Amino acid sequence: QQQVKQSPQSLIVQKGGISIINCAYENTAFDYFPWYQQFPGKGPALLIAIRPDVSEKKEGRFTISFNKSAKQFSLHIMDSQPGDSATYFCAAVSGGGGFKTIFGAGTRLFVKA
Amino acid sequence: GAGVSQSPSNKVTEKGKDVELRCDPISGHTALYWYRQSLGQGLEFLIYFQGNSAPDKSGLPSDRFSAERTGGSVSTLTIQRTQQEDSAVYLCASSLLAGGPVNEQFFGPGTRLTVL
Repeated sequence: QQQVKQSPQSLIVQKGGISIINCAYENTAFDYFPWYQQFPGKGPALLIAIRPDVSEKKEGRFTISFNKSAKQFSLHIMDSQPGDSATYFCAAVSGGGGFKTIFGAGTRLFVKA
Repeated sequence: GAGVSQSPSNKVTEKGKDVELRCDPISGHTALYWYRQSLGQGLEFLIYFQGNSAPDKSGLPSDRFSAERTGGSVSTLTIQRTQQEDSAVYLCASSLLAGGPVNEQFFGPGTRLTVL
C-alpha cells in the first residue's frame, strides 16, 4: 500500500536546466517531508527537508515546494549539474512519533553534460 | 566521526540457508531502522528500534525475518530459510532521536544479499 507516490520514474535534463520531481501523499498524519539523494553503491543521504507549515524551502540550488491542501510537494534542482546525477527519493514521516518514514519509489536523474 | 556501518557488504547464499546482517549505528543514536531496496525500487520499511525495543515490526515481510538490537547499539537482521525473492540490498539507518518532527536518518552503505 503505497502512501507516497513519486514521479517521474526517470528524468534526463541538460546541464544548466531545471530538474523537477513531484510527490503526492495520502496520510494527513505526516508532518515532515525529507528528500534523500542516493548515488550508486551508497546509502541515501538527506538532501533537504520541509515541514508542512511552510510552503517553500530553499538551500542553494535545491528548493522544496509544498502544497498542503493538495498533499503534494516537489523538488526543484536549479542549474542542474552532471554531479547531480543520482536517484532521488521523497519521503514522509509520521506525525507524533516521527519515526516511521515512508519513501517514494525514487526518480533516477541523469544530467547531460 | 564514523558513520553507520554494515557487514557484510555482499552476501551470496543458497536458497534455504539462514543469513545474518549486521548494523553498527552512529554512537549515541537511539533510533535504528532497517529497509530493503530491491533493484531499481524504492526503500521498503522493515523494522524500527527505539533503544533495544521494536515498537513497529509491521514491515517485516514474513515470520522468516527477525531483528534484534542489543545494548542500544548493534542490530542484527536475520533471514531464515532464505528465498530468491529475498535478494535485495538491505539498508540500515540510525537517527539521534525518534520522537519529534525532525528525524534525519543516516544510512549505511547496505548489504547486497543474493540468494541463489
